[in-house]
Amino acid sequence: DVKVTQSSRYLVKRTGEKVFLECVQDMDHENMFWYRQDPGLGLRLIYFSYDVKMKEKGDIPEGYSVSREKKERFSLILESASTNQTSMYLCASSLTGQGHGYTFGSGTRLTVV
Amino acid sequence: GIQVEQSPPDLILQEGANSTLRCNFSDSVNNLQWFHQNPWGQLINLFYIPSGTKQNGRLSATTVATERYSLLYISSSQTTDSGVYFCAVVDNDMRFGAGTRLTVKP
Repeated sequence: DVKVTQSSRYLVKRTGEKVFLECVQDMDHENMFWYRQDPGLGLRLIYFSYDVKMKEKGDIPEGYSVSREKKERFSLILESASTNQTSMYLCASSLTGQGHGYTFGSGTRLTVV
Repeated sequence: GIQVEQSPPDLILQEGANSTLRCNFSDSVNNLQWFHQNPWGQLINLFYIPSGTKQNGRLSATTVATERYSLLYISSSQTTDSGVYFCAVVDNDMRFGAGTRLTVKP
C-alpha cells in the first residue's frame, strides 16, 4: 500500500515562529500536495508540486512556502506562524496522469498560540 | 476553478437506515473520488469513480459525468460509518467539497 507519512500528529507553536511540516511518500509518486482543513470549508489547496524542485501555488498560498528537494519529501513552511494558521494540515500524493487517485497522510493538527 | 458542492451538510441517521449523499460539480473533470474522514482525521479513499457505478460492500457510488454529479449510497448504516464524507474532483489539481457530516445513532 502507498504510504504518506506526516512527521507530527499534533504540534503547538508560538506566534512568529518558523514552522516546518514534513511529508514523505514511499511509492515514487510524482505529485505531492498540501491542504489545510477548517470546519465548514472542506480542504483547501495551499501548494502542490509535480516534480522535484518544482512548486505551484494553490488557492491559499499566502503565509506559506514549500520545498521539494527530493521526490519523496514535500515540506510545508510557515515563515512566521500566526494564530489564523491554526488548522489541520493534510499532505497527499498521486501518480501523474488520469486514472490515479490521491492518497492522504493522517494529518498534522497545528495550534499557533 | 471548478466548484464542488455537497449536500446535505449534515445527516443524522438511525442505525440500519439507508442514505444518499450528493456531489455536484461545475465543469467536466478527469477524476472524482469519495473519501471518508474518520474521527482521527485520516482521509480514507472510498471510490475512485470518474464515471459509472461501483460497489464495495454496503457502499456504492454513481457518477454521471455528463450531468456533473455523483452520488454515494450507504445502505444498512452502522455507527462506524459516522464521520465526514468528502467528494473531490480533479481538474489540474484536486478540489474538495465542504463535506457531509454523517452521524449514525445506535
